[in-house]
Amino acid sequence: EPEVTQTPSHQVTQMGQEVILRCVPISNHLYFYWYRQILGQKVEFLVSFYNNEISEKSEIFDDQFSVERPDGSNFTLKIRSTKLEDSAMYFCASSDGTSGEETQYFGPGTRLLVL
Amino acid sequence: GDSVTQMEGPVTLSEEAFLTINCTYTATGYPSLFWYVQYPGEGLQLLLKATKADDKGSNKGFEATYRKETTSFHLEKGSVQVSDSAVYFCALGPGGYNKLIFGAGTRLAVHP
Repeated sequence: EPEVTQTPSHQVTQMGQEVILRCVPISNHLYFYWYRQILGQKVEFLVSFYNNEISEKSEIFDDQFSVERPDGSNFTLKIRSTKLEDSAMYFCASSDGTSGEETQYFGPGTRLLVL
Repeated sequence: GDSVTQMEGPVTLSEEAFLTINCTYTATGYPSLFWYVQYPGEGLQLLLKATKADDKGSNKGFEATYRKETTSFHLEKGSVQVSDSAVYFCALGPGGYNKLIFGAGTRLAVHP
């Protein structure tokens, strides 16, 4: 069964450093998303991406964040200068977009720890 | 704005007990409703969904019915197993390919 994959599974970084989180969405999907879950809190939407541009972003997704689809398979989230409060689990998701099926399928997540 | 409220956990049950996890929502329009499950150390997996009022989603013995009149989507299972121990998230999709709005999650612990 096709699935969303994410790398790395864990990342530890120093405050102020740049990190790139990588995702490979399900191959025929057209809509891509990033969410995050701070430990013990609810899952929060960050950004959605379609047709090579951002379609919606939340207040959390400020200028420190960017997304990119550098090739036909990867979808990346970059945090330019990490802060302590960026420590969270980051989930990538994708949805079909062609058949009216809007269900979002999630990857296993990247746990980011900022020290 | 749209929101989802779930009952607080943790919910602790013995094996074979009946499970209900309450979920209510506030939304404009006609959202789709989802239950996702997060097993320890893993990501979010879609458990079931319903796309319109009175639809019942079901999977792996779990069921939830989309009740527009009570704005609810309660998750039920007749007989839980230890392997059902996880965090369960109710979520709302406003329609189209927009963001999902999640509830806070309810941790379920099932003991033998």
